[in-house]
Amino acid sequence: AQKVTQAQTEISVVEKEDVTLDCVYETRDTTYYLFWYKQPPSGELVFLIRRNSFDEQNEISGRYSWNFQKSTSSFNFTITASQVVDSAVYFCALSDLTGGSEKLVFGKGMKLTVNP
Amino acid sequence: KAGVTQTPRYLIKTRGQQVTLSCSPISGHRSVSWYQQTPGQGLQFLFEYFSETQRNKGNFPGRFSGRQFSNSRSEMNVSTLELGDSALYLCASSSASRSTDTQYFGPGTRLTVL
Repeated sequence: AQKVTQAQTEISVVEKEDVTLDCVYETRDTTYYLFWYKQPPSGELVFLIRRNSFDEQNEISGRYSWNFQKSTSSFNFTITASQVVDSAVYFCALSDLTGGSEKLVFGKGMKLTVNP
Repeated sequence: KAGVTQTPRYLIKTRGQQVTLSCSPISGHRSVSWYQQTPGQGLQFLFEYFSETQRNKGNFPGRFSGRQFSNSRSEMNVSTLELGDSALYLCASSSASRSTDTQYFGPGTRLTVL
């Protein structure tokens, strides 16, 4: 079965620090997709990135960067020069096509607190 | 484009009652999925609808049901509410033009069962 593990449950940093959120996944599928979502206190899950299993290139978007390594089944997320507005719960997710259509399997989430 | 909308945002019900939650997807999106989020179990998939048909279902009892209308709006219903049904219910939509597509989430409906 598909599984996503976010070993860190909570991290607290001071503004401008870099922080890396770890994500390890398990799947038997050869084609799959990985996602990161952000959940601010308002509750809505905000989409950050989607990566397919054939694309191992790292990606950078502003202060955000993602490191996908199939060899270690990891899809880590780094925030550079963190800001207070980055405070949220971050979820890593894996696509699961069992049952005929896509559903997402989420990790337990990691709460990031950025202090001024 | 307007995002996914969910109504109501908050609900308080008592055990044994039933509840209906509504979700309007992003315009043009035909797939709607529902997830339940609780502190203990995290985010869990409930079901997915596409073109008014349930295509996938998670591991939840039959008290949880849903439907989708021709305009892609979706409702989910929970009958005979239990205390454990207290949760944030999130709806997500996607275009589903391919077998896998990004799901965009709404703000959720927070259900409290007393």
